[in-house]
Amino acid sequence: DAGITQSPRHKVTETGTPVTLRCHQTENHRYMYWYRQDPGHGLRLIHYSYGVKDTDKGEVSDGYSVSRSKTEDFLLTLESATSSQTSVYFCAISGGNSPLHFGNGTRLTVT
Amino acid sequence: ILNVEQSPQSLHVQEGDSTNFTCSFPSSNFYALHWYRWETAKSPEALFVMTLNGDEKKKGRISATLNTKEGYSYLYIKGSQPEDSATYLCASPNTGNQFYFGTGTSLTVIP
Repeated sequence: DAGITQSPRHKVTETGTPVTLRCHQTENHRYMYWYRQDPGHGLRLIHYSYGVKDTDKGEVSDGYSVSRSKTEDFLLTLESATSSQTSVYFCAISGGNSPLHFGNGTRLTVT
Repeated sequence: ILNVEQSPQSLHVQEGDSTNFTCSFPSSNFYALHWYRWETAKSPEALFVMTLNGDEKKKGRISATLNTKEGYSYLYIKGSQPEDSATYLCASPNTGNQFYFGTGTSLTVIP
């Protein structure tokens, strides 16, 4: 989807290193989300944002932090990556009362 | 956190068969129910957004119904085709527009 871009698309990192994933949107949508996808768990909400500098925790937020300093960017940071954070991460956006639009995902491997 | 459940976890059908699967969600404080289609190596894409009890939505051979009083939605596929093979997700938002997903139903249509 041209309106939402995730970077990087793939990342391999070592245990204990910090990692930041970026989600960029051009739709001017209010809501932005970070999900992780794991076998048997579907999509689980990590954090979400309902406006600039307004964020809240999801169901699996431990070990993750987020920031949203402007409408178009939502950053997900793993402060000290662990092997349990190996996953595919999806960013999504919504204008409210509308379906989610997803980015193409970031495959993160923590060795 | 909303407890959204889907069944069955996976389904194999022959080409031409019709099939259906279920999404259950908390009936209290209901706002909406979304269905998404997720093809392998792609991102989830919205199929339907349903808000009213008794809602029925249709897109080609795929349709969905909603019962908010008892907390379930059905997705139907008529005359399944191999290109219908995908994982079908449902999600429901809470009051803060946080979307919680079921674990999905993986559909394989055998030619």
